[in-house]
Amino acid sequence: DTAVSQTPKYLVTQMGNDKSIKCEQNLGHDTMYWYKQDSKKFLKIMFSYNNKELIINETVPNRFSPKSPDKAHLNLHINSLELGDSAVYFCASSPLTSGGYNEQFFGPGTRLTVL
Amino acid sequence: AQTVTQSQPEMSVQEAETVTLSCTYDTSESDYYLFWYKQPPSRQMILVIRQEAYKQQNATENRFSVNFQKAAKSFSLKISDSQLGDAAMYFCAYKTSNFGNEKLTFGTGTRLTIIP
Repeated sequence: DTAVSQTPKYLVTQMGNDKSIKCEQNLGHDTMYWYKQDSKKFLKIMFSYNNKELIINETVPNRFSPKSPDKAHLNLHINSLELGDSAVYFCASSPLTSGGYNEQFFGPGTRLTVL
Repeated sequence: AQTVTQSQPEMSVQEAETVTLSCTYDTSESDYYLFWYKQPPSRQMILVIRQEAYKQQNATENRFSVNFQKAAKSFSLKISDSQLGDAAMYFCAYKTSNFGNEKLTFGTGTRLTIIP
């Protein structure tokens, strides 16, 4: 069974459209994340949620809105897509235990292409 | 804010040889975690090895080992007996030990090529 899954794996859309990427984890983890990997392969945190509560928001444009209906799901909605939003978006999850290194498990990524 | 630097954009190694990938980081914290992730062409992020800063002993995982120099803020990855399947992007990452601030800060990556 896939631990962290994302849908879709590929997304091609026009500038100005609104799109969503879904993420689900079946590991029972408390914390979920969205990372963005740009065309130069640089990975950067966007958001993290702990038990449906937003913990980290790393100066991401308001057009990006994460939504966590429950602790197993963290979706990413993007409004008014721009060319610069083209990237691979990774979802990840981890347990949240004090004193532990809390390994993050990554999904397969969603390659978003904005034309 | 913490930063992670990987100064080698690309490296290559002959199959069965040993290669070392460099990583330095900047932090004012005394306790933290360091990781090496591998990203093959499939783009899946795979944890290779981790190190807790409070542990002096260098971590090892089969053919993978690290050289952790805390004072120098250096965390290099050594791959022994390189195999074709080791070809990938390798990312060094930092995580604070502060409970609740669980984000990974990544370096820019090193693309490793294995020469048959």
